[in-house]
Amino acid sequence: GAVVSQHPSRVICKSGTSVKIECRSLDFQATTMFWYRQFPKQSLMLMATSNEGSKATYEQGVEKDKFLINHASLTLSTLTVTSAHPEDSSFYICSADRRLADTQYFGPGTRLTVL
Amino acid sequence: GQSLEQPSEVTAVEGAIVQINCTYQTSGFYGLSWYQQHDGGAPTFLSYNGLDGLEETGRFSSFLSRSDSYGYLLLQELQMKDSASYFCAVRYTNAGKSTFGDGTTLTVKP
Repeated sequence: GAVVSQHPSRVICKSGTSVKIECRSLDFQATTMFWYRQFPKQSLMLMATSNEGSKATYEQGVEKDKFLINHASLTLSTLTVTSAHPEDSSFYICSADRRLADTQYFGPGTRLTVL
Repeated sequence: GQSLEQPSEVTAVEGAIVQINCTYQTSGFYGLSWYQQHDGGAPTFLSYNGLDGLEETGRFSSFLSRSDSYGYLLLQELQMKDSASYFCAVRYTNAGKSTFGDGTTLTVKP
């Protein structure tokens, strides 16, 4: 399987601060990456599609000004949670899309806790 | 909208065989994938079906029938470490967007 890294794995921050999460595809180039969030015991909820060289597309109900996505290269996408609030506390997971295999490969996830 | 249905919980004993079903209704279909997720971890890819039929990968097999909008994951020779959540996911756009089922919690007992 493909390797996708995500950093940091865990972050605790104060309310009102911003947090940046990096997602890297280590062994293939990904023109498309996806960002999900997952609450305990629930399924993965797609937040946005990150496209290399263009603007991200956000799912309905996801605030694009709050969750800033940058896909600067074929191997790196970043998600910045701006002005974080306790309700933003969640497990954030990225995936890199491998078109040739029609499959997504997930990073290990970032657990965000906002105090 | 997109919807996938899979059982919420399944329990089986070590060494047994278990089948987790998934039915779907989506606006498009490019393939059905299965992922395993242990508590506290991220999903890991198990299997993919783009065409009808059975795909086998070691102890895991996955089946797809596009005409029935149905697939299943078959786990053989169950081990304690197989206790986890299993998600089916349908790739419903050519750009790769996928929707996930709510997950099936598999508990393997000694």
